[in-house]
Amino acid sequence: EVQLVESGGGLVQSGGSLRLSCTVSGLTFSDEWMSWVRQAPGKGLEWVANINPDSVKKNYVDSVKGRFTISRDNTKNSLFLQMTSLRAEDTAVYYCARITAFRFDYWGQGTLVTVSS
Amino acid sequence: QSALTQPPSASGSPGQSVAISCTGTSSDVGAYNFVSWYQQHPGKAPKLMIYEVTKRPSGVPDRFSGSKSGNTASLTVSGLQAEDEADYYCTSHAGSDNMVFGGGTKLTVL
Repeated sequence: EVQLVESGGGLVQSGGSLRLSCTVSGLTFSDEWMSWVRQAPGKGLEWVANINPDSVKKNYVDSVKGRFTISRDNTKNSLFLQMTSLRAEDTAVYYCARITAFRFDYWGQGTLVTVSS
Repeated sequence: QSALTQPPSASGSPGQSVAISCTGTSSDVGAYNFVSWYQQHPGKAPKLMIYEVTKRPSGVPDRFSGSKSGNTASLTVSGLQAEDEADYYCTSHAGSDNMVFGGGTKLTVL
């Protein structure tokens, strides 16, 4: 059974930093492209970032470029999102997801990040 | 990286069919056959329903179908059932490994 479990969310002040983690099981993690997708309260889904298996390719939505960094540790089957200079508009549930052929086929349950101003 | 355009709401009675549109541009929906659709119930993670415009993952009922014409993709739900009431999102490859979502459509089963 494939499982993706996010952690690290919480309440942070505007301008602060937070690091999200996602632990993956049931997949050969080191072969997989992975993504972060977020959903602001009561709003729609927004793709945030992708990373390829060997961490060479990383892509970001324009609104987080220069502030967020996606990374991974294939030895620990883990995906990360380092978030800095956080803004109120970054408040959202953050999901990690496997992306294959440009579709998100496995999702975690999400972790809530709240940025207070 | 502009969001794809979906109608905010759609509705139908049990047993009826409903179509949800997803309009992009020649740089995303129109350029690639990598449109997928997701169902999300309140408080739950999204679930993949359609990928590569028309394909259904194992376990998704064949009442769900997808299509595309030009810059607009569509999800059709036939034989509506109460459990189909949910939010639906489209997404497309937008070039250079980037992805873009639609704003979402709330489907109500009357």
